[in-house]
Amino acid sequence: SQQGEEDPQALSIQEGENATMNCSYKTSINNLQWYRQNSGRGLVHLILIRSNEREKHSGRLRVTLDTSKKSSSLLITASRAADTASYFCATDATGANSKLTFGKGITLSVRP
Amino acid sequence: DGGITQSPKYLFRKEGQNVTLSCEQNLNHDAMYWYRQDPGQGLRLIYYSQIVNDFQKGDIAEGYSVSREKKESFPLTVTSAQKNPTAFYLCASTHRTGGYTFGSGTRLTVV
Repeated sequence: SQQGEEDPQALSIQEGENATMNCSYKTSINNLQWYRQNSGRGLVHLILIRSNEREKHSGRLRVTLDTSKKSSSLLITASRAADTASYFCATDATGANSKLTFGKGITLSVRP
Repeated sequence: DGGITQSPKYLFRKEGQNVTLSCEQNLNHDAMYWYRQDPGQGLRLIYYSQIVNDFQKGDIAEGYSVSREKKESFPLTVTSAQKNPTAFYLCASTHRTGGYTFGSGTRLTVV
């Protein structure tokens, strides 16, 4: 069963706008991770946020985690056409021993 | 450069045939994983291994088998018992609690 559920399923924005993607999960976690996948390629790790962290930044990426609501958001600021990809959240559930469970992904299209 | 190599990139399987997908990493990672990706389904875990000579079933292990004889290698065999094997297969590795490093995938098609 899928632990993480992303929202929305698809997002289309203009270059330069910000993109916000959300992820909800069901059980307690050790950490939550976000990945990007370009069409037909493997996934690329973007950022990891631990359960005791609330916010993390990496370049144009900002991730927040609210463990009371069991939700996370990924913000991409000043988006570029090259950001067009699918984005997945993945959870390392407590007791799962670093075994990640992935959501179904969000398709982001950035129009030039 | 360190990374994970999956081969082949494309694979065609006839009905009733077993095929083996290769996954090799030179990252010195202990844990390795196999995921299956279908359109609209996200990634589903097939098998994983956290140490050499040991592996566990994931959520959809039926019709698949693996081995972990070397730390660097984690091949996946898709057997004839897997009735719907057409999918994109992804191998990943990690060192303890870090993020995963993924290979570029193998696209398997039944002909």
